[in-house]
Parts: sequence; C-alpha cells; structure tokens
Amino acid sequence: GDSVTQMEGPVTLSEEAFLTINCTYTATGYPSLFWYVQYPGEGLQLLLKATKADDKGSNKGFEATYRKETTSFHLEKGSVQVSDSAVYFCALSAGGSGNTGKLIFGQGTTLQVKP
Amino acid sequence: NAGVMQNPRHLVRRRGQEARLRCSPMKGHSHVYWYRQLPEEGLKFMVYLQKENIIDESGMPKERFSAEFPKEGPSILRIQQVVRGDSAAYFCASSPRGDEQYFGPGTRLTVT
Repeated sequence: GDSVTQMEGPVTLSEEAFLTINCTYTATGYPSLFWYVQYPGEGLQLLLKATKADDKGSNKGFEATYRKETTSFHLEKGSVQVSDSAVYFCALSAGGSGNTGKLIFGQGTTLQVKP
Repeated sequence: NAGVMQNPRHLVRRRGQEARLRCSPMKGHSHVYWYRQLPEEGLKFMVYLQKENIIDESGMPKERFSAEFPKEGPSILRIQQVVRGDSAAYFCASSPRGDEQYFGPGTRLTVT
C-alpha cells in the first residue's frame, strides 16, 4: 500500500542554519504531496503542497519540490528561526478515481532550533 | 471564518466507559476526516464522512468505534468501552471538496 517515510529526528539546528528534512513516498498512481507543521499542543497546519511532478510548493520560506523520478518531496528552508521549532509531517493523498482524499502521513520529524 | 473546532480538548475516561468526541467543521465544509495520533507516532486515518454518509471507514477498528456526521450538528467519534490503548490524540479535519484539509486542535483522550 501507499506509504511515506521521513528522516528520523530530532533535528537540532542553530538559528539561521539551512534545513533539509527528507521525505520519500511509495504510491500507485499520481499522489498529491503535503507538508504539515504541528506546534506543541496544537493541531496540524498545512505548510505547503504540490499536486503533480516537478511542482514546487512554497510558504513562509519553506520549499519542497515533487520529484517523481526519486519519489521524494524533501522540505528545505534557507535560514531557520527559533519559531520554526515544531514537528513536521510529510503526507500524501492518493491520486486517481476513487480517491477519497484521506492523507497518509510519515512519522513526523521534530525540529529544534537553538538561538 | 472560524476554524475547525473540536471538543473537549482533553478527556479523561476510566476503562470501560464511553468517550464521545465532537468536531465542528469550518463553515461551508461538508467533508470530515478523523485521524488518530498515538504517542510518538504520526497520524493514522480512521474514517471519512460526508453529511449523513460514511464514505471510507477503512481505518476504523472493527469493534467499539463508530462515527457519524448528521445533517445538523457536529461530527461525532464514539468509542465504547475504552481501553488504555485508546489513549491518543484524535484530530478531525474538514474539507470543502474532499481535497485540502484543515485540522482542528485535537482531543487528547486519556484512559485511566
């Protein structure tokens, strides 16, 4: 079945460092891909998305490119801030007819940014 | 436009009791999804509902769990005869068309 694999955390960075969180997926068809962020004690917020190959999603300085050839959707940010400390989830929604839109999540990666 | 609302935010139940979790979708959204997040794990899909219909319940445990989304009122996830393994955060998400999902703050269920 469809699945998402993220790099294990926690990831600890200093402020202004470059961030990469790896995400790879397995899916039949052409899924849509998402990154969600969860701050402590809160629900998930959509960070960015891409719906087809080579699309780049971007928001708040974060970017991720849908790479069909490597089945990846790595999250990047050029300069992280302390306020970016959170748990980041990669997710997919299967494509094709009959798709109900349910999301399949990776296990989450905790990011801690130190001043 | 208010976001997705869930209540209660925290719920404590003794083993064997019933837990009832409510989700009010965003205005204009007729699609609701429920997910469960066990400690130190990602979210797992449970059920997808549209008004008065269960569309996909492939992630729901076969026993003790049920969900509904009536014509009027919130969606309800019901867990009967709770056990310690049901302790988790339960999130609902709503969607206008079954595509982009907006998550609520979650209900954290603790079974003692």
